[in-house]
Amino acid sequence: GAVVSQHPSWVICKSGTSVKIECRSLDFQATTMFWYRQFPKQSLMLMATSNEGSKATYEQGVEKDKFLINHASLTLSTLTVTSAHPEDSSFYICSAQSRRQGGSYNEQFFGPGTRLTVL
Amino acid sequence: KNQVEQSPQSLIILEGKNCTLQCNYTVSPFSNLRWYKQDTGRGPVSLTIMTFSENTKSNGRYTATLDADTKQSSLHITASQLSDSASYICVAGDSNYQLIWGAGTKLIIKP
Repeated sequence: GAVVSQHPSWVICKSGTSVKIECRSLDFQATTMFWYRQFPKQSLMLMATSNEGSKATYEQGVEKDKFLINHASLTLSTLTVTSAHPEDSSFYICSAQSRRQGGSYNEQFFGPGTRLTVL
Repeated sequence: KNQVEQSPQSLIILEGKNCTLQCNYTVSPFSNLRWYKQDTGRGPVSLTIMTFSENTKSNGRYTATLDADTKQSSLHITASQLSDSASYICVAGDSNYQLIWGAGTKLIIKP
């Protein structure tokens, strides 16, 4: 159980185009999803927190108009990189949160990631 | 400032040997400590999650320890296998459900 998928697994696009990445929780409902980016040899960096049916909360320094997040249902969140540039090339990872009943923490389940290369 | 530091940055060991990875954290208010395994080009996979009241937790050949007094955690890998080659990331969670990520230890298992 607790499987999260991402699509596509990799994408190459030209500078100036927009790219949409999908994140799905396959066997559970996720009220909260997270989007991370990871540069080579670095750890994950949280970009935004997405709650179903409401606007995403972006971390400091992340442009909300450039990285559009939509969480339309309990099993799907999308990240759209608008007007992509070479510096947006990175590994984008989503996670979906499962609430541990009565517990003190929420467990996150991660997708396999999407490698974006902008030429 | 909340932060998580891991050591060593990288480690090479022979297949079949044991190893221990270290994690020091300064997170307040502290809630839980997580270890993830991340294969190259893949998303992280959870190995263990410990609350502040837990001292140790095992997952197969992986055993994590937590000392909330000294703010230290370790991940011990027993009888390493080639498939253990990956980055191991220590993550501390605070009481506001925020996660603070370490930079990871890159482990290479050689035959």
